[in-house]
Amino acid sequence: NAGVMQNPRHLVRRRGQEARLRCSPMKGHSHVYWYRQLPEEGLKFMVYLQKENIIDESGMPKERFSAEFPKEGPSILRIQQVVRGDSAAYFCASSTGGGGYNEQFFGPGTRLTVL
Amino acid sequence: GENVEQHPSTLSVQEGDSAVIKCTYSDSASNYFPWYKQELGKGPQLIIDIRSNVGEKKDQRIAVTLNKTAKHFSLHITETQPEDSAVYFCAARATGTASKLTFGTGTRLQVTL
Repeated sequence: NAGVMQNPRHLVRRRGQEARLRCSPMKGHSHVYWYRQLPEEGLKFMVYLQKENIIDESGMPKERFSAEFPKEGPSILRIQQVVRGDSAAYFCASSTGGGGYNEQFFGPGTRLTVL
Repeated sequence: GENVEQHPSTLSVQEGDSAVIKCTYSDSASNYFPWYKQELGKGPQLIIDIRSNVGEKKDQRIAVTLNKTAKHFSLHITETQPEDSAVYFCAARATGTASKLTFGTGTRLQVTL
């Protein structure tokens, strides 16, 4: 059973370009979470999605960031017009359910570098 | 919202010694407390978790304790080995409301020979 998959693992963008990060949850998981980790810091929650729905986006910056989890295909975190401050590791996690004590399984992350 | 503080930020122990990492949380509604281990270049991996109706949980060399009154929880690793070297994160979640995890800032554990 494959774990959470993220691609690309490393992404380099110049300021002003767009970054698209993809996450395929574990088989059977319909809940996806995105977290951001700045160097030497903990993970910060960004957004929680179920298939075709955004459940909680309280951690998402108001501008330039968007996320989706379509009925078919991976979840996408999109960052428009990237700036150097967007450089970070972005982790996706998935779970079987959103409430209770459901474990969140993390992917290997996408390391975004903005030049 | 929830705030989780974690100490120490770095910890160096000799192989075979014990390591203790402590966290505090602010939201009394939090009732689920997982601990994650993150190795260099990888995503966090759950190593143990505890629910608020339990004071202590043990899994081989790893144990976690929870003091709900003081809003403290701690990770204890006994008989440390070099492969325990990693960054450890505590987290908290209120399962009845939000599903998001609030993480501590991490502890870099170094086990020396």
